[in-house]
Amino acid sequence: QVQLVQSGAEVKKPGASVKVSCKASGYTFTGYYMHWVRQAPGQGLEWMGWINPSSGGTNYAQKFQGRVTMTRDTSISTAYMELSRLTSDDTAVYYCARGTTGTTTVMDVWGKGTTVTVSA
Amino acid sequence: SYELTQPPSVSVSLGQTASITCSGDKLGDKYVCWYQQKPGQSPVVVIHQDIKRPSGIPERFSGSNSGKTATLTISGTQAMDEADYYCQAWDNYTVVFGGGTKLTVL
Repeated sequence: QVQLVQSGAEVKKPGASVKVSCKASGYTFTGYYMHWVRQAPGQGLEWMGWINPSSGGTNYAQKFQGRVTMTRDTSISTAYMELSRLTSDDTAVYYCARGTTGTTTVMDVWGKGTTVTVSA
Repeated sequence: SYELTQPPSVSVSLGQTASITCSGDKLGDKYVCWYQQKPGQSPVVVIHQDIKRPSGIPERFSGSNSGKTATLTISGTQAMDEADYYCQAWDNYTVVFGGGTKLTVL
């Protein structure tokens, strides 16, 4: 079955970076975009950006430009999201989600999320 | 930047019809998705392209979008439908989520 398996929880200090992985299975990895969405405790969903696994092309939300890097390794069907210069405001659950882009954007398969805690 | 506005909470009696709105400038010109998220779980898409229901989503879920407002309607609401619901649209190469609505089933 189609699934996205994310890496485990992380605890980081302010100023550090975190890299979250998302391994896809059950479908052609390069056939769908991969979005990254985060959710702070008790808050709503916040889109961070997407990567096109086929070309490696990316599109980041303006809020995260300069601080986020999305990459992929097609040989192991895995997408990565790295966020740098962490602050306590980055404490959140980070989701990867398979989807499309453009006017008909939809995210139809989600990972279980990776909890990132930023604390001194 | 583009904004989508949802009511923070909506209540509905068991078996009745729930309506959750999402408003934005010229939203009717865009496609809207709706996601359901239960506590401790990942979001699940229940409506995409305004009115389309993915396979496995009950028929009681329906959507509409016109003017400035998109609406998610749940007919014959069941206790299992109690969750947070988020609308989502695409604007200027950016994905935008609404703030979310907590649906309480009484």
